[in-house]
Amino acid sequence: SQQGEEDPQALSIQEGENATMNCSYKTSINNLQWYRQNSGRGLVHLILIRSNEREKHSGRLRVTLDTSKKSSSLLITASRAADTASYFCATGPYNNNDMRFGAGTRLTVKP
Amino acid sequence: DTAVSQTPKYLVTQMGNDKSIKCEQNLGHDTMYWYKQDSKKFLKIMFSYNNKELIINETVPNRFSPKSPDKAHLNLHINSLELGDSAVYFCASTPRGREGRNEQFFGPGTRLTVL
Repeated sequence: SQQGEEDPQALSIQEGENATMNCSYKTSINNLQWYRQNSGRGLVHLILIRSNEREKHSGRLRVTLDTSKKSSSLLITASRAADTASYFCATGPYNNNDMRFGAGTRLTVKP
Repeated sequence: DTAVSQTPKYLVTQMGNDKSIKCEQNLGHDTMYWYKQDSKKFLKIMFSYNNKELIINETVPNRFSPKSPDKAHLNLHINSLELGDSAVYFCASTPRGREGRNEQFFGPGTRLTVL
């Protein structure tokens, strides 16, 4: 079954603003990962947060995880035009190594 | 370059034909995947192989047959292509078998168009 539903489906902001994307999932997880997909390209891993972690940072990225609400958020601060891409969350179950992806949030950062 | 590579990048074919997509990773990973991304960008897992052994087959029609000749390769053969098979197919790999803690490395995708 599919996991990881992103919200909103599309987000358009000005360069310099912050972008927040949310992800909800349905079952228990081992970890949650965020990926970026530029147009016409494969997905690129951004950050992984484990189920026992609540917040993680990587450069301009901040990820939070609330396992009680089965949700995660990805914050991109001081956005740049180059951040324009689709962002996917993917959840990893406990019993195997296979991730489940959603349909992504399409982020457009206007210069 | 170390990477996950796929060939071809674009594939245009007629309904009813049989086609193959190849995937190779030189990252030394144990697990490889095929995903299908439809026009709405929904990314769905199709198959998972761990060390040449099929782990997941996500209710994919049996017209789709993955083949893993060795740990570094996972090819996808599709028989009797249908219009609904049009999508972008991604191959991916991950370092370890069953820990559920590792990132996946994706290939560039193969855009399949069935006419």
